[in-house]
Amino acid sequence: KNQVEQSPQSLIILEGKNCTLQCNYTVSPFSNLRWYKQDTGRGPVSLTIMTFSENTKSNGRYTATLDADTKQSSLHITASQLSDSASYICVVGIPANQAGTALIFGKGTTLSVSS
Amino acid sequence: KAGVTQTPRYLIKTRGQQVTLSCSPISGHRSVSWYQQTPGQGLQFLFEYFSETQRNKGNFPGRFSGRQFSNSRSEMNVSTLELGDSALYLCASSAYLAAEVYEQYFGPGTRLTVT
Repeated sequence: KNQVEQSPQSLIILEGKNCTLQCNYTVSPFSNLRWYKQDTGRGPVSLTIMTFSENTKSNGRYTATLDADTKQSSLHITASQLSDSASYICVVGIPANQAGTALIFGKGTTLSVSS
Repeated sequence: KAGVTQTPRYLIKTRGQQVTLSCSPISGHRSVSWYQQTPGQGLQFLFEYFSETQRNKGNFPGRFSGRQFSNSRSEMNVSTLELGDSALYLCASSAYLAAEVYEQYFGPGTRLTVT
């Protein structure tokens, strides 16, 4: 069964600190892996998209890594800010020409950054 | 370009009623997908429309239906509402990136509360 598991479920850190969110997946075949940020009451916004041939991708203070062999990914947030407080969703894409069913969503990690 | 817009943003309905939600994709995007998001289940795929045709459908009962118009705007209808239909309904329009990888752009969602 195609599944995406994220850990931890929630996390509280102090402003300025770094943190790492984890994603394990059992999705086959695999095409790409995405991380989305979702602010409360808003739609998800894409942070990074990596294909199986990419090991790391950065977007500002966000760095995603991918190990396709172990089927693990991580999202590292550097020098956290209050605005980083959100839900971070790991999403795995399967090869398809239909955008909708091609994505398997994790349930997200809720990050709270406190001052 | 303007982003994905959804109307209304908030809606309160009573059990047994029906509801119609609207989504306008990013200009030029022909694919529109709908998702239901609840705290316990995360994002779940409802259906996808492409050029006025339903291309894929998730595992939801027939009470959930949709359509797409010639200008790519889409509507989603839920009939005979149940308490469990309370959720954030997200619409996403898709752009092809490369190698069967699509980027999905989400709207802000419609928060439906069924009482």
